[in-house]
Amino acid sequence: QQPVQSPQAVILREGEDAVINCSSSKALYSVHWYRQKHGEAPVFLMILLKGGEQKGHEKISASFNEKKQQSSLYLTASQLSYSGTYFCGTAKGGGNMLTFGGGTRLMVKP
Amino acid sequence: DTAVSQTPKYLVTQMGNDKSIKCEQNLGHDTMYWYKQDSKKFLKIMFSYNNKELIINETVPNRFSPKSPDKAHLNLHINSLELGDSAVYFCASSHLGQGNSYGYTFGSGTRLTVV
Repeated sequence: QQPVQSPQAVILREGEDAVINCSSSKALYSVHWYRQKHGEAPVFLMILLKGGEQKGHEKISASFNEKKQQSSLYLTASQLSYSGTYFCGTAKGGGNMLTFGGGTRLMVKP
Repeated sequence: DTAVSQTPKYLVTQMGNDKSIKCEQNLGHDTMYWYKQDSKKFLKIMFSYNNKELIINETVPNRFSPKSPDKAHLNLHINSLELGDSAVYFCASSHLGQGNSYGYTFGSGTRLTVV
């Protein structure tokens, strides 16, 4: 079952904040976040393994609410380099196949 | 350089042909994957493979088959290519952990165009 991401697209000015959400109808063991720039491969940002866990990566952080089967990615004080498509990936139970959401296209303008 | 490398980067071929895409990783990972990314950027898992288990996404046609000569390589063979197979194919690798507890490293992708 594919996780659902929202919004599908967002346009920001440099310095603005954004939140990308990822939700699943199935119980989750882990949530991954990746960024893909145009014409390039997806790049791993972070993984969350526990309910209620929060992680940070520079000015990008994420939370994982296991009970709600949701994760959110927070981008603060956005930079031009943050532009790209963000994907969340989820895995059921102990399975080792990651299923990705449909992606959120983020554009940061000067 | 430590990485996941795929060849070729571009592949243009006619319908009905058989083709292969090669993937190699030197990261010491024990699990490798193939993903298909369509024109709408949707990333779809095709296969997951480590030295113990091959997991096939049930929606993948049996014209697609992974071949792994060793744990550092996972090649993708496609028989009787169809127009709908046109996409970017990504190889990825990771350590095997319960419930995907390790991040994936992706190759740079192979853009397959079937004409």
